[in-house]
Amino acid sequence: DIQMTQSPSSLSASVGDRVTITCRASQSISNYLNWYQQKSGKAPKLLIYAASHLQSGVPSRFSGSGSGTDFTLTIRSLQPEDFATYYCQQSYSTPLTFGGGTKVEIK
Amino acid sequence: EVQLVESGGGLVKPGGSLRLSCATSGFIFSSYTMNWVRQAPGKGLEWVSSISSSSRYIYYADSVKGRFTISRDDAKNSLFLHMNSLGAEDTAVYYCGKDLGLAVAGPIEFWGQGTLVTVSS
Repeated sequence: DIQMTQSPSSLSASVGDRVTITCRASQSISNYLNWYQQKSGKAPKLLIYAASHLQSGVPSRFSGSGSGTDFTLTIRSLQPEDFATYYCQQSYSTPLTFGGGTKVEIK
Repeated sequence: EVQLVESGGGLVKPGGSLRLSCATSGFIFSSYTMNWVRQAPGKGLEWVSSISSSSRYIYYADSVKGRFTISRDDAKNSLFLHMNSLGAEDTAVYYCGKDLGLAVAGPIEFWGQGTLVTVSS
């Protein structure tokens, strides 16, 4: 199974900050990497697919990059509605696996 | 508008069974891979199972293989998860999800609101 490791597990940031979350796969997954946002008590929401493709309706302040084993989710200017938990997921092979999550909190 | 509505969750005793359903609308159900993902209380996301269009490909997490069965009824635009031999470790919110359609499985484009399964005596 492919293990996905996210860092950090949590971070505190202020509105307007640039935030970067990293995700590392235990083996190469090409660009089969997706990012989700989950707010408390809600279902996850797809933000980025195939490492760098912005899902329809997602604000352009979100971006993704990387290939192979190392990936990054960047929020260019953090907004109040962005405080949530973010998960990476590989869809290179089954079992589909998620990272442990990164909780973005208000500083 | 795409909608996915899960049902069938509830309290079940260890060793018991449960059948989850996911009613969908707003897209051509038969054309897409569908997924189940669960989340234990206070924990992260765990993929459970995927079923491709025409039920050609079916995948399970090792943690549920042999106990859970995924199925679909394209005529009723519905997805199911039959769960047997339930244990405390299966306690979670179960989400159904529609695939984006890039590959056989993943990413998950749309998610239902989830249904809570609690396994306890």
